[in-house]
Amino acid sequence: KAGVTQTPRYLIKTRGQQVTLSCSPISGHRSVSWYQQTPGQGLQFLFEYFSETQRNKGNFPGRFSGRQFSNSRSEMNVSTLELGDSALYLCASSPAGTNAYEQYFGPGTRLTVT
Amino acid sequence: KQEVTQIPAALSVPEGENLVLNCSFTDSAIYNLQWFRQDPGKGLTSLLLIQSSQREQTSGRLNASLDKSSGRSTLYIAASQPGDSATYLCAVQSTGNQFYFGTGTSLTVIP
Repeated sequence: KAGVTQTPRYLIKTRGQQVTLSCSPISGHRSVSWYQQTPGQGLQFLFEYFSETQRNKGNFPGRFSGRQFSNSRSEMNVSTLELGDSALYLCASSPAGTNAYEQYFGPGTRLTVT
Repeated sequence: KQEVTQIPAALSVPEGENLVLNCSFTDSAIYNLQWFRQDPGKGLTSLLLIQSSQREQTSGRLNASLDKSSGRSTLYIAASQPGDSATYLCAVQSTGNQFYFGTGTSLTVIP
């Protein structure tokens, strides 16, 4: 099976712009979670989507949003970019369906905001 | 809110040594605990998953244990190799299906 893929891998944006990141989960996985990783804060949970519905949400401002399509692919959008949004954005997919499940991570998208 | 702590933050050992990485969490109501490794600038690679009802899991030179009552997990790496150099992260899945990560232990294995 192909692993989790994320596009693009690298992105440079200017403060105030918006950006959309994409994640394709492992075939058959229905849950997609997004994380932000920075040197200072470590890995922080953004949100999780399951069957096109947001099931969990972390403590991030409304500028961060996401969605999931019927084929389980997910997109994450950040509007009005700030310098502090520079980070590695990781998505993880899981088969889910039960309460306990394993997460499989993609390679990440490195976002730099200038 | 669940808090996950990893000690030490960094570790340097000579090749061939056995070593233990520690992970502690504040809320014992978890579904599972997962250990990952992360190479610089890369995504996370899953190493071991321990369900809440299990005490340990083994894969090759790796052994992970879980003590839910004390809120602790350890990752034991036997006969370390330079290729084991990476950052090791633990994550707990709490009730509510949220995952909480530790800040990681940066391991360097010196040839």
